[in-house]
Amino acid sequence: DTEVTQTPKHLVMGMTNKKSLKCEQHMGHRAMYWYKQKAKKPPELMFVYSYEKLSINESVPSRFSPECPNSSLLNLHLHALQPEDSALYLCASSQDRRRGGEKLFFGSGTQLSVL
Amino acid sequence: EDKVVQSPLSLVVHEGDTVTLNCSYEVTNFRSLLWYKQEKKAPTFLFMLTSSGIEKKSGRLSSILDKKELSSILNITATQTGDSAIYLCAGGRNQFYFGTGTSLTVIP
Repeated sequence: DTEVTQTPKHLVMGMTNKKSLKCEQHMGHRAMYWYKQKAKKPPELMFVYSYEKLSINESVPSRFSPECPNSSLLNLHLHALQPEDSALYLCASSQDRRRGGEKLFFGSGTQLSVL
Repeated sequence: EDKVVQSPLSLVVHEGDTVTLNCSYEVTNFRSLLWYKQEKKAPTFLFMLTSSGIEKKSGRLSSILDKKELSSILNITATQTGDSAIYLCAGGRNQFYFGTGTSLTVIP
């Protein structure tokens, strides 16, 4: 199994809603990432979990809350988002971030629209 | 500030043409350079380059890293319409910085 699975594929939410994005991988990877990608822009790193611990938070607003319940799962909890948060949210994993330079495997993303 | 720059930003070619995409990086903690193809959603992995001067090949695609020049190129020969996509490069070690991508359109 060489896949990173993200759900849902599409999400429309109002600014007062609470929703969660989910990401799952069964490749035994110990690093998992959340990226945000706006149209015609490169992916921007949001969070990195290494061995289930948050190791990087790229100054992301607190309305985005990551969670890593176990080594295979990564969630992104969303609350009180703004329309400018509408974007493609990509999850990625890599084998072992501590070794560095490992290639990233991406999921197909969740296209989020905030109304 | 770490940054990755790709050129050109967009490219339109005819089927059968050969294209060269460029990526230059200024990343303080560098170990690898990654190339991805992004068509609709998920970027799909093409190459990982860690050593300078060693070409990696996969079918019509090839890539090489020049650590002295802090750059990499991605070559696509005999382009096909299915090569139309955004090509992203990313440099780093424990976290990767992505370039803005090159949008390639191959016309029949």
